[in-house]
Amino acid sequence: DQQVKQNSPSLSVQEGRISILNCDYTNSMFDYFLWYKKYPAEGPTFLISISSIKDKNEDGRFTVFLNKSAKHLSLHIVPSQPGDSAVYFCAARTFKLSNTGNQFYFGTGTSLTVIP
Amino acid sequence: ETGVTQTPRHLVMGMTNKKSLKCEQHLGHNAMYWYKQSAKKPLELMFVYSLEERVENNSVPSRFSPECPNSSHLFLHLHTLQPEDSALYLCASSQWGGRGPYNEQFFGPGTRLTVL
Repeated sequence: DQQVKQNSPSLSVQEGRISILNCDYTNSMFDYFLWYKKYPAEGPTFLISISSIKDKNEDGRFTVFLNKSAKHLSLHIVPSQPGDSAVYFCAARTFKLSNTGNQFYFGTGTSLTVIP
Repeated sequence: ETGVTQTPRHLVMGMTNKKSLKCEQHLGHNAMYWYKQSAKKPLELMFVYSLEERVENNSVPSRFSPECPNSSHLFLHLHTLQPEDSALYLCASSQWGGRGPYNEQFFGPGTRLTVL
């Protein structure tokens, strides 16, 4: 059962416009959410995160919004640039008090293309 | 070398072969992970090592055998694989545990495995 879902496999946006990538989750025990960016032939790289006690986190052109009641988060990129073209993964963390520590769950990714 | 490195980057093997994937992290982290990424599926966590001890094994078939000789190195030994095991295998590292914001994982570029 997939606990983190990215229902849009792809998205195309004009350069300079806003890109909005969406992610839905089912587990209310997730305490931390992350976005990763992946270029071809490279591993995912951490982009931005948000704690479950917040509803917004901003870092330059990137803003992540969290709606806990809807179990939904989104990543906004403003303005979008051609270099932002990549696959974006949403991830969520559960915290365990046992020695097993944190567990991360990933979505299937959304491929963003920013058109010059 | 910096970050997380993986070798080989590409591997083609027959179902009767035995091979190993290698991962090395140069970030001073104390936890390492193996993930499998199949087409159109989310990243699947396979194994987690914390302080060189395996702490998570997500029901992975025994034809995959991990080894963590120290906190910087992680291996995935492969034997008698099936064609459906063809995927991108990603290694990651992180600091272990806690609720702090510094538990994002740093990924290597992955090994593209093809099983014939």
